[in-house]
Amino acid sequence: EIVLTQSPGTLSLSPGERATLSCRASQGVATFLAWYSQKPGQPPRLLIHSASSRATDVPDRFSGSGSGTDFTLTISRLEPDDFAVYYCQQYGASPMYSFGRGTKLEIK
Amino acid sequence: QVQLVQSGAEVKRPGSSVKVSCTASGGTFKNLAFSWMRQAPGQGLEWMGGTIPIFATTNYAPRFQDRVTFTTDESTSTTYMELRSLTSDDSAIYYCARRRGTHSFDVWGQGTMVTVSS
Repeated sequence: EIVLTQSPGTLSLSPGERATLSCRASQGVATFLAWYSQKPGQPPRLLIHSASSRATDVPDRFSGSGSGTDFTLTISRLEPDDFAVYYCQQYGASPMYSFGRGTKLEIK
Repeated sequence: QVQLVQSGAEVKRPGSSVKVSCTASGGTFKNLAFSWMRQAPGQGLEWMGGTIPIFATTNYAPRFQDRVTFTTDESTSTTYMELRSLTSDDSAIYYCARRRGTHSFDVWGQGTMVTVSS
């Protein structure tokens, strides 16, 4: 089973700052890695697929990078609406899909 | 644009079953691939399995293999998730989502809260 480890667990930043979130896979997943944000009471929203491709209507301040086992989601300049929980998700071995435990991005 | 609308909240007794529906609109149903995820209170997301109606295929996560079933009704553009032998650990929000060829989930239902309590 592929385990995704996200760090940090909580990230406290101010609007305008740069956020860097990490996701590490226990085995290589090539670029089958996606990122989601989730706000309370809402379903997740796809931000990045294929490690670095932005989903439809996602602002270009969101960028993803990495391949194999180490991935990064960067938010270049935080806006108030960006504070949420962020999850990474992989496609690979059984189970076919799995998610990390999430990084909570909170306002400092 | 594809939208997914799920059935309403459920309260179930331990040992019973629950069946959650997910109705698609705005796209060709049989061309869609669906997955089901769940999220326990304050916890992360867990993939339960997926189904592709056009190929009549299903894949279940190993931990749910023995007690979950996905079905579809093409006439109503609806896919269903039935989970049996419920325990309090199954109390969660259940989501359906469209799975793309990139193996990501780009459209989600609003979620269905299932509470298992005696």
